[in-house]
Amino acid sequence: QLQLQESGPRLVKPSETLSFTCTVSDVSITSITYYWGWIRQSPGKGPEWIGSIYHDGGTYYNPSLQSRVTLSVETSRSQFSLHLSSVTAADTAIYYCARLLSGGSSQYFDFWGQGALVTVSS
Amino acid sequence: YDLTQPPSVSVSPGQTASITCSGDKLGDKYVYWYQQRSGQSPVVVIYQDAKRPSGIPDRVSASNSGNTATLTISGTQAMDEADYFCQAWDGSTVVFGGGTKLTVL
Repeated sequence: QLQLQESGPRLVKPSETLSFTCTVSDVSITSITYYWGWIRQSPGKGPEWIGSIYHDGGTYYNPSLQSRVTLSVETSRSQFSLHLSSVTAADTAIYYCARLLSGGSSQYFDFWGQGALVTVSS
Repeated sequence: YDLTQPPSVSVSPGQTASITCSGDKLGDKYVYWYQQRSGQSPVVVIYQDAKRPSGIPDRVSASNSGNTATLTISGTQAMDEADYFCQAWDGSTVVFGGGTKLTVL
């Protein structure tokens, strides 16, 4: 049974970098079928895709966030990470890690972590 | 690329609820639907336009054609009350709709 667990600080100061890690359990992070991704959701709004990463380190990002986002993966620890720089109050949201089933024109998140509310405030 | 959903849909128990998702030439892309109950993470209920993952009842169905995809829930039950989001892939970006709150009155 796949488990995804987000970890990181829940409170980040404006202008600092938000850093979160997702630990993948009971499934290999190196599976060729899957990418791994980050999605956020502000209160009362729809989800916003942040970016996705493959186990070989290949990435693709939401163009609206690309200048501030870096994703990385550490297969030995079965973890992948999100770094979002220069945060503002607008970055306050629930941050989810998720598994992305990727195949040609088919791209969707078939399993989500429980999510973590991150607040940007001084 | 934008996906547009109505903010809310209401339905009486036992009736059929339809939730739409609109986007330019959306029928040329695969559409996915997620259910998000209050306080929980999203769960995919439809993938590749009309396929149901295991565990999703057959009273949940969907279609996608032209500029509109539609999620249909027949025999609506109280447990179906949730937010529903559509999602598509435009070739380089994963895009979500703004979500529709389904209320079972």
